[in-house]
Amino acid sequence: EADIYQTPRYLVIGTGKKITLECSQTMGHDKMYWYQQDPGMELHLIHYSYGVNSTEKGDLSSESTVSRIRTEHFPLTLESARPSHTSQYLCASSEFGDYGELFFGEGSRLTVL
Amino acid sequence: AQKITQTQPGMFVQEKEAVTLDCTYDTSDPSYGLFWYKQPSSGEMIFLIYQGSYDQQNATEGRYSLNFQKARKSANLVISASQLGDSAMYFCAMREITAGGTSYGKLTFGQGTILTVHP
Repeated sequence: EADIYQTPRYLVIGTGKKITLECSQTMGHDKMYWYQQDPGMELHLIHYSYGVNSTEKGDLSSESTVSRIRTEHFPLTLESARPSHTSQYLCASSEFGDYGELFFGEGSRLTVL
Repeated sequence: AQKITQTQPGMFVQEKEAVTLDCTYDTSDPSYGLFWYKQPSSGEMIFLIYQGSYDQQNATEGRYSLNFQKARKSANLVISASQLGDSAMYFCAMREITAGGTSYGKLTFGQGTILTVHP
């Protein structure tokens, strides 16, 4: 069983608020990822990191930002939430980079009113 | 262009029967990996099975097997002896490894197939 945790699981918030979605893993993985998924749809990569102090944008443009100050922690921040940000955000990590599967957290479902 | 295509938005199967979920992919890289994940209604992503592009044998994991046809660029998931708990969304995903570079482990996902198992 993967040891990767996301909080909060569910968040309902008003427009204009700043939010941070937390993601932590205890496996010592260097590579971490954030995917965005609308209900019933495919996952889109929005951010990834291959180690401490490295962050890269993914294939889908996102107004969110990420940081990687510690190996185990990869938070995602939205400075000013909008209804268009309503989605599920899934965090994942990987040990072997080009090989091996991604381990996913349980996801954070964000609703912006 | 869509790199991973799952043409079946929904599939139905009777309990204890086998079912095949289709996946085709598009890549010009010689080295790549193909993955299948299960996503129950609770939302988490559960890894099921992996197939490397150089693997000679089709991958198997318990009731899951991957029907890998490299020339046709297809990687269909076969679930044998379906169970009610198999009802979920299933995603096919690909990792491309460009020669001389690295993928950083990134996966590209297909649109998914909703599987419903009837008692």
